[in-house]
Amino acid sequence: DQQVKQNSPSLSVQEGRISILNCDYTNSMFDYFLWYKKYPAEGPTFLISISSIKDKNEDGRFTVFLNKSAKHLSLHIVPSQPGDSAVYFCAASAMMTLGRLYFGRGTQLTVWP
Amino acid sequence: DGGITQSPKYLFRKEGQNVTLSCEQNLNHDAMYWYRQDPGQGLRLIYYSQIVNDFQKGDIAEGYSVSREKKESFPLTVTSAQKNPTAFYLCASSEGMNTEAFFGQGTRLTVV
Repeated sequence: DQQVKQNSPSLSVQEGRISILNCDYTNSMFDYFLWYKKYPAEGPTFLISISSIKDKNEDGRFTVFLNKSAKHLSLHIVPSQPGDSAVYFCAASAMMTLGRLYFGRGTQLTVWP
Repeated sequence: DGGITQSPKYLFRKEGQNVTLSCEQNLNHDAMYWYRQDPGQGLRLIYYSQIVNDFQKGDIAEGYSVSREKKESFPLTVTSAQKNPTAFYLCASSEGMNTEAFFGQGTRLTVV
């Protein structure tokens, strides 16, 4: 049973515009959320995270928004760059499960010039 | 240079043979994890360890075994009981709860 869902397998955005990647979760015990970026044949690299006590966290071009009532989070990339083209994974964890991460299936972002 | 090292990057084995994937970290992290990635499946947790000499099964532990004799090392053995062993295997470590996990570069295992 997928507890973290990324319902869009792919997203295509023009360079300079905003990319919005979405993620939904079902487990109300999740209290920490992360986004990872992954290139083919490489390990994921950590991008940004947010605790459940916040509703927004910003780091440069990347902003994560958390809507706890809707069990939804999103990653905004502004402005999008061709180098941002990769698979983005949403992940969540909970204190009760000792911090193990649950991953979504990923969204392939393509940023075209 | 701190990080997680997985070796080898590519591994080929004959069906029916056990194979051990190496994972070493020098980040002084307590927790270590093994994930498997298949096309369209995301990352699925095989085993994880919160502390030396202790580990727990993840969602797809059948056909795998691990050990955690040292803080720095968390090797994964893919046994002949694993029905579909061909996959991309990722090792990760973290300081503990509610912190980001850092990943190695992965090992592509192909069983023929």
